[in-house]
Amino acid sequence: QKEVEQDPGPLSVPEGAIVSLNCTYSNSAFQYFMWYRQYSRKGPELLMYTYSSGNKEDGRFTAQVDKSSKYISLFIRDSQPSDSATYLCAMSGGGSEKLVFGKGTKLTVNP
Amino acid sequence: NAGVTQTPKFRVLKTGQSMTLLCAQDMNHEYMYWYRQDPGMGLRLIHYSVGEGTTAKGEVPDGYNVSRLKKQNFLLGLESAAPSQTSVYFCASSQLAGSYNEQFFGPGTRLTVL
Repeated sequence: QKEVEQDPGPLSVPEGAIVSLNCTYSNSAFQYFMWYRQYSRKGPELLMYTYSSGNKEDGRFTAQVDKSSKYISLFIRDSQPSDSATYLCAMSGGGSEKLVFGKGTKLTVNP
Repeated sequence: NAGVTQTPKFRVLKTGQSMTLLCAQDMNHEYMYWYRQDPGMGLRLIHYSVGEGTTAKGEVPDGYNVSRLKKQNFLLGLESAAPSQTSVYFCASSQLAGSYNEQFFGPGTRLTVL
């Protein structure tokens, strides 16, 4: 079993749709859960992070962590064509100096 | 404040040639990383460094060497390039705070090995 699993998609939605992106993980030592956004031919950029369990909201984006199920989600409300990108989940914890990334989900929001 | 920069942006090599990719950061970060990104494979860690003068192997280190002689620079070398090393290479840096490890990425280097 891989440490982090993420459905690569691709995912195509109409503008205005609610988007749900998910990752599962196996390492219970993970404490920080991040979502990176990567536009085509660019480097990844941190979008949101959450510590331990719970929800975090930032504008149209909501990150959720369920440590009991080892499951994290990113919700995008009122999706826009500018949200079209690859979204990578990433996790850290247990004193490791490394981030563990999911493979990324490619999202296209159609006008 | 340029963040993380990578040189060059593009490169085409022939099999067997060598090259060095340069990563520079101006955020005074202790930690630096080299990743490769291939379709369907996600980001894979090649080598990383936890401080000036240190290096460590990541997930896919074979065929690559690294050096961190200065805190702000992290070099990735390919001694004898192979077609399997055709990829997009990303450098990242971070300043750990406990287990919080926000990594800042460079724009990438697109390498093709013929």
